[in-house]
Amino acid sequence: QVQLVESGGGLVKPGGSLRLSCAASGFTFSDYYMSWIRQAPRKGLEWVSYISHTGGTIYYADSVKGRFTISRDNAKNSLYLQMNSLRAEDTAVYYCARDLHGSSGYGDNWGQGTLVTVSS
Amino acid sequence: EIVLTQSPATLSLSPGERATLSCRASQSVRSYLAWYQQKPGQAPRLLIYDTSNRATDIPARFSGSGSGTDFTLTISSLEPEDFAVYYCQQRSNWPYTFGQGTKLEI
Repeated sequence: QVQLVESGGGLVKPGGSLRLSCAASGFTFSDYYMSWIRQAPRKGLEWVSYISHTGGTIYYADSVKGRFTISRDNAKNSLYLQMNSLRAEDTAVYYCARDLHGSSGYGDNWGQGTLVTVSS
Repeated sequence: EIVLTQSPATLSLSPGERATLSCRASQSVRSYLAWYQQKPGQAPRLLIYDTSNRATDIPARFSGSGSGTDFTLTISSLEPEDFAVYYCQQRSNWPYTFGQGTKLEI
């Protein structure tokens, strides 16, 4: 079955960096667009970044543009999010999500999430 | 950015009752709207996509309707496991956005 497992979250000081990883299994990773979606504590959902199956198309939310970089390694069935210049408002649970099909823009399978806390 | 406004914020109902949740978009999203269910401590779960298509393994008591700017998620007869937070999401324009959620409580 489809499994997405995020890792790399933790406590970091403002201005610091973290790299999140998402290990995928149970499907042909290279066939699917993937996303990072976050949820601040007791808040709603924000679509952070989106990458095509080849990595040739990438989108970022304005709130993270220039600070975050999404990437993927299809040989390793892995998705990444490099987060630099972190701010308190980046504190959230970060989910990786698989696209429903093609470039549908809907997340049909999600990981359990990894918590990023930005605090001094 | 397309803003999605969900109503009501909280809906109090009993098992067996019918639930009607609304989502209004600040501009047309055509039919590119989804609904998700989230329970405490869990990731969201896709219920409905493209306004009215049920995702895999979603029970038939969940249905979606609407077009343009006004959309509805209906749960025909509430089961105990349906009490959760529901989000709508549009994929018409980037950035894809979510509504603020409707909490369905007993």
